[in-house]
Amino acid sequence: GQQLNQSPQSMFIQEGEDVSMNCTSSSIFNTWLWYKQDPGEGPVLLIALYKAGELTSNGRLTAQFGITRKDSFLNISASIPSDVGIYFCAGQWGPNDMRFGAGTRLTVKP
Amino acid sequence: SQTIHQWPATLVQPVGSPLSLECTVEGTSNPNLYWYRQAAGRGLQLLFYSVGIGQISSEVPQNLSASRPQDRQFILSSKKLLLSDSGFYLCAWRNPSGGQPQHFGDGTRLSIL
Repeated sequence: GQQLNQSPQSMFIQEGEDVSMNCTSSSIFNTWLWYKQDPGEGPVLLIALYKAGELTSNGRLTAQFGITRKDSFLNISASIPSDVGIYFCAGQWGPNDMRFGAGTRLTVKP
Repeated sequence: SQTIHQWPATLVQPVGSPLSLECTVEGTSNPNLYWYRQAAGRGLQLLFYSVGIGQISSEVPQNLSASRPQDRQFILSSKKLLLSDSGFYLCAWRNPSGGQPQHFGDGTRLSIL
């Protein structure tokens, strides 16, 4: 099945720094999604991308759907302590086919 | 607006006991429904999905089963739990039209003793 490679696995940054994480795949997707999960809770959708090359922002978050449809990145600008959590990418190629990356654990030091 | 509810939030069960986790969605009709398991510090593994009442597709062989007795109700069950069934179980729904994203419940933390 399709596999997603998400990197980095974890990040330790200072408050105010920018963050960048990405996902790559050996196969193409029709939709790329980015979720954030806080401890003990379900993932919450941050950004959804539907077209190759699409660049979408949500506040301090910016994500792009790669031109090849095989990758996506998420950037967080001017990080704050509440950005702490696990960020998951997900690729979707059909109505009921979605695969998740292993997650990027973000720690923000005040 | 649409909401999704899972219960219980936490559950501690002995090995060999039965299991029933429930998920309900409000504010939408004919959603696609999903059950995932998440091991500690890991990604999400799709267990089951359903496109309609009584329609269940299984992604991985295991001793768990799923049922959808009503349009907006999805149940995860087991007759006899194993130690390896411990984990964080997440239910999700999505609008079946187009490439709509999945939306998750708050999960059930299951510990098997």
